[in-house]
Amino acid sequence: KAGVTQTPRYLIKTRGQQVTLSCSPISGHRSVSWYQQTPGQGLQFLFEYFSETQRNKGNFPGRFSGRQFSNSRSEMNVSTLELGDSALYLCASSGSTTGELFFGEGSRLTVL
Amino acid sequence: GENVEQHPSTLSVQEGDSAVIKCTYSDSASNYFPWYKQELGKRPQLIIDIRSNVGEKKDQRIAVTLNKTAKHFSLHITETQPEDSAVYFCAATGQTGANNLFFGTGTRLTVIP
Repeated sequence: KAGVTQTPRYLIKTRGQQVTLSCSPISGHRSVSWYQQTPGQGLQFLFEYFSETQRNKGNFPGRFSGRQFSNSRSEMNVSTLELGDSALYLCASSGSTTGELFFGEGSRLTVL
Repeated sequence: GENVEQHPSTLSVQEGDSAVIKCTYSDSASNYFPWYKQELGKRPQLIIDIRSNVGEKKDQRIAVTLNKTAKHFSLHITETQPEDSAVYFCAATGQTGANNLFFGTGTRLTVIP
């Protein structure tokens, strides 16, 4: 069974640009959640999607958005990038409500 | 929202000794408490979890305890081995029936051979 796949793995952007990250969950998993990982803050919850609906949202500005498609693949978008957005963005899928999260390897975003 | 605090931030132990990591949470409605291990450059992976209707759970050398009254839970690793060296994160759910986890800031465990 293939794991969670995230693309791209690495990307460099400049301030003011926007970025779209993609996540393909484990087959059959309908829940996809996104986390931002930084050295000082650990993992911070961005949002969760279940069956194409945003079920929960963390405490991030509106520049961070996401969506989920009918095949459960998910994308997250960050607009008007700031230096502080540099981080590892992790996607996780789950086959159950309130259960084990299976993380992807992450997309490492650097904002210059 | 839920707030999870984790201590210590770094922990060094001799191989064979035990390691204990402690977390507290703020939302009494939280009912699911997983622990994730992240090795350097790798993705976080679940090592053990506990639900609020259980006080303790063991899996070989790893155990987790939960005190709902005090709102704290702990990870215990016995007979530590060098391969246990990693960053460990505790977490708590923010909402029943959802996968929005609130993580602690992590504990870097180093096991000295």
